[in-house]
Amino acid sequence: DIVLTQTPATLSLSPGERGTLSCRVSQSLNSHYISWYQQRPGQAPRLLIYGGYIRATGIPARFSASGSGTDFTLTISSLQPEDFAFYFCQQDFYLPRALGQGTRLEIK
Amino acid sequence: QVQVVQSGAEVKKPGASVKLSCGVSGGSISESPMHWLRQAPGHGLEWMAWVDTANAATYFSEVFQDRLTFTRDRSATTIYMELGGLTSADTATYYCVRETAYGETWPLEFWGPGTRVTVSS
Repeated sequence: DIVLTQTPATLSLSPGERGTLSCRVSQSLNSHYISWYQQRPGQAPRLLIYGGYIRATGIPARFSASGSGTDFTLTISSLQPEDFAFYFCQQDFYLPRALGQGTRLEIK
Repeated sequence: QVQVVQSGAEVKKPGASVKLSCGVSGGSISESPMHWLRQAPGHGLEWMAWVDTANAATYFSEVFQDRLTFTRDRSATTIYMELGGLTSADTATYYCVRETAYGETWPLEFWGPGTRVTVSS
């Protein structure tokens, strides 16, 4: 099975800073198969990015994603207070659907 | 606008089973496969199963293979997930999620609000 490993587990940054979250896949994967999700406290997750880099409906342009092979990145260009949340990556092609264990983005 | 709806919170005793429902408003549940994931308190998400709501095909995580079953109601508007042999480790919020086909990728786009299941003696 495919395994996704996210680093760091916790990222402490200040509003306005740039956030970079990593997702490493255990085998080379078409970048179109990677999606990213955000979960705010007490809420269900929501889709941020799919197809490797495509922002879902209503997602602000400060969110972007890239990567290829086994290494993928979610970047938040200028952190807003509402961006401090839990983020996880997932591969959207194979079953079982593997998810990363997540990165908690917290206010420094 | 598609919305995934789920049944309410449950409290169960160890060894019991829990049956959770999931439906779709603003669309047909048969239009797209559904996934089930769960999240234990303070933990990340764990993928459990995929259900093709059009033909009832399923794929389960090996972790749940022996104690997970799925059914549909006759009108095919609601699916049910039953998890048996509950232990305290099954205490979690269970999410029903509808995937969307975007070319060759199927992200989890529409999330239900989750159903909290508490297993306690």
